[in-house]
Amino acid sequence: QSVLTQPPSASGTPGQRVTISCSGSSSNIGSNYVFWYQQLPGTAPKLLIDRNNQRPSGVPDRFSGSKSGTSASLAISGLRSEDEADYYCAAWDDSLSRYVFGTGTKVTVL
Amino acid sequence: EVQLLESGGGLVQPGGSLRLSCTASGFTFNSYGMSWVRQAPGKGLEWVSGISGSGGSTYYADSVKGRFTISRDNSKNTLYLQMNSLRAEDTAVYYCAKDVGSGMPDAFDVWGQGTMVTVSS
Repeated sequence: QSVLTQPPSASGTPGQRVTISCSGSSSNIGSNYVFWYQQLPGTAPKLLIDRNNQRPSGVPDRFSGSKSGTSASLAISGLRSEDEADYYCAAWDDSLSRYVFGTGTKVTVL
Repeated sequence: EVQLLESGGGLVQPGGSLRLSCTASGFTFNSYGMSWVRQAPGKGLEWVSGISGSGGSTYYADSVKGRFTISRDNSKNTLYLQMNSLRAEDTAVYYCAKDVGSGMPDAFDVWGQGTMVTVSS
């Protein structure tokens, strides 16, 4: 079972803002960077947010990340149909000495 | 173009072995850590194992420790995952992923297309 907890689903209409939470602990989010990945249906994951809030080249500025204490969030503003995907947070866990992914959130554009 | 290409997946019986390979191109392979990440059918992502750019440090998930071995041949730009004592719960798509740094697993900025491993009798 994952040590990073995300809501199983989130949804919004085109143009809306959607926020996905990622809850961890002091040994992972609380002391290390958080990363976010987007996985479109049938494809490999893609790095969406690096080091809590950094967007890799090519990632639209509609996507933003934040971190506070032992929790992190991914926000998608101006939601578009192509944003329908699974989203995962991730971090290194110092206690477990392993990389951990969140449980994943399926975003649906209504 | 930066690219990762996995191979070696297939059908194997419980208790059997399989070796996955991941051939890299388009970047200086020995400068970056690499990891294997798997995804069981209809399930989420699970990090399996990682290795530093030099190959001197390795990291494993508890679920595979003692059964899987990660290695790399920097002269061949290739990452490996030797999987022994395979179980049904190891059935998944296995992705290799490039790290943004050279040490312990960090952000994975390049992913392969994945190779399917099915453990079944």
